[in-house]
Parts: sequence; structure tokens; C-alpha cells
Amino acid sequence: SQQGEEDPQALSIQEGENATMNCSYKTSINNLQWYRQNSGRGLVHLILIRSNEREKHSGRLRVTLDTSKKSSSLLITASRAADTASYFCAATGVQGAQKLVFGQGTRLTINP
Amino acid sequence: NAGVTQTPKFQVLKTGQSMTLQCAQDMNHEYMSWYRQDPGMGLRLIHYSVGAGITDQGEVPNGYNVSRSTTEDFPLRLLSAAPSQTSVYFCASRETGGSINSPLHFGNGTRLTVT
Repeated sequence: SQQGEEDPQALSIQEGENATMNCSYKTSINNLQWYRQNSGRGLVHLILIRSNEREKHSGRLRVTLDTSKKSSSLLITASRAADTASYFCAATGVQGAQKLVFGQGTRLTINP
Repeated sequence: NAGVTQTPKFQVLKTGQSMTLQCAQDMNHEYMSWYRQDPGMGLRLIHYSVGAGITDQGEVPNGYNVSRSTTEDFPLRLLSAAPSQTSVYFCASRETGGSINSPLHFGNGTRLTVT
């Protein structure tokens, strides 16, 4: 069973707009991570938020975490064509902490 | 630094054949893992290792073997390939086996087709 599940599965927006992706998970976590995957490539780590943090920023990225709702969101502001990729959340559970479990991903397309 | 290197990039096997997918990292990471990625399924953990001589099973270990004789290498063996093992395989590592707050570093994958 997937620990992280993203919503929506696909998102298409115009360049310059903001993109928001959501992730839900099932059990208590130590941290939640977001990764990006360009077509035909491996995943690249974007940002990690720990269970005792509520919000974190990195450049144009903003991640929030609501442990009471077991959910997280990734906001990309002022999107660019180069942001076109698949985005995955991954949760490190309190149980089985060595197993990082990924969701199915959100496919983001930025239209010029 | 090369990071995480996977070979080969592409492979076609016939049902019943065996092969080894290679993974090497030059970052002195203690933790290494193998994932498979299938359409609509995200990434699923096959096996992982927290250090040389130590391996453990992930979500989908059946049909795969691993060993970890050195810190640098973590090969994945398919003993008797099946069409259900057609997938893209990713190797990933992170520093310090006990540090769960370190990010994973991924290789670029091996695309395997079993006919």
C-alpha cells in the first residue's frame, strides 16, 4: 500500500501561474519529502519537511505539512517551462523508517 | 563526483533468463536501495541495505536477490526473469544509514523488458 498519494494525477497550467500539488499519507511519519522526475531520468530531491515543521521554503517552492490531516502540499510559484516534470511525495514512516515509500506522482505540464 | 551510476541503461531479456543490474555510488553512502517504477504505480521498494553485509526486503522483493559486499556497490539479481518484471529500475543511496532525514540520490535507471 502506498504511504503517499498525490492529487491531482495530472496538472496543466500556463507559464507564470502557480502550481499546487497535494499529498496524503496513512501513518505517523518522521518526515515527508518531495522529488521531481524529468522524463527518462532519475528522481531529484527537492525538499524535506520534518514532522515537527509546518512550512518550509526553498526558492520558488513552498511545502506545508498538516500532521493532523496527514497531508502535505507543494506549491511552485511563478512556474516556468522547465518545471514540467512529474512530482512525487515520499513519506518516512515512524514504523519501518528505513523504507521511504513513494506516491504515484503528479504530472505537471507548464504551457508557454 | 559521478553520484549513483546504473548499468546497463537498457536491457531486453527472454523469460527465464537471469541477469544482474549494477549500481555503484562514489559518495560513501551507507544506505542503498532498489526501486521499480511502473506506470500508475509510482516507485515501489524492492530491497535496501543500511551498510555492507546488511540487506533487507522492501515492498516487492519476490523474484529479486541482492547482496552488499562493499559500500560502493549494490547489485540487483533477477534469477529467472518474468514478463511481470518489465519495468524501470532505480537505484538510490543516502548518507549515513541511520539518518532518515537525509535525501535519496537516484541513478538514471535501467529500463528492462522481459519478453
